[in-house]
Amino acid sequence: SQTIHQWPATLVQPVGSPLSLECTVEGTSNPNLYWYRQAAGRGLQLLFYSVGIGQISSEVPQNLSASRPQDRQFILSSKKLLLSDSGFYLCAWSPPPALYEQYFGPGTRLTVT
Amino acid sequence: AQSVTQLDSHVSVSEGTPVLLRCNYSSSYSPSLFWYVQHPNKGLQLLLKYTSAATLVKGINGFEAEFKKSETSFHLTKPSAHMSDAAEYFCVVKTGANNLFFGTGTRLTVIP
Repeated sequence: SQTIHQWPATLVQPVGSPLSLECTVEGTSNPNLYWYRQAAGRGLQLLFYSVGIGQISSEVPQNLSASRPQDRQFILSSKKLLLSDSGFYLCAWSPPPALYEQYFGPGTRLTVT
Repeated sequence: AQSVTQLDSHVSVSEGTPVLLRCNYSSSYSPSLFWYVQHPNKGLQLLLKYTSAATLVKGINGFEAEFKKSETSFHLTKPSAHMSDAAEYFCVVKTGANNLFFGTGTRLTVIP
């Protein structure tokens, strides 16, 4: 069966510091991968998605970037965090080619102070 | 453009009573619709999906939803609420090859 992992589970970082969140998927090959952000009291916002190694699509301009160095690894990064980057970050995967459903990881709670 | 509107930000029911979470969609063609549930500080879990097959869709944990094209609705229901159903519920529509549009969510509270 497939599983998706995210770490760390929680993170407190000062403004201006770098960020690296990691997501890995097990039990499947060539998944579509997604990064979402969920701000307090709001729905999910798609940040990035990837259909293959090195292929990243950005949905909104922001202070963040994503990379996919391996087939089942997806990394969310920032060089300098802003206060507005605080939120709950969720990684998800879906079986290609159709996007009929996505499977979410446990999430990372990021607080920028 | 495809979108969904969740009509209630918060619904409160007593344990053992029916649950109704409302969702209306906007789409220029037959949409693919989903309901996800999120328990506190957890990731999202797919409850059920509609992809133009049967209009009444049954999901996990006793939930079901009915696609009504004439009303552009996809409401989520359950005959009898359990305490473990307390969570945030998201109505979602597929908007493109790789995109989902999430509603703003409905928080369900179950009163013992």
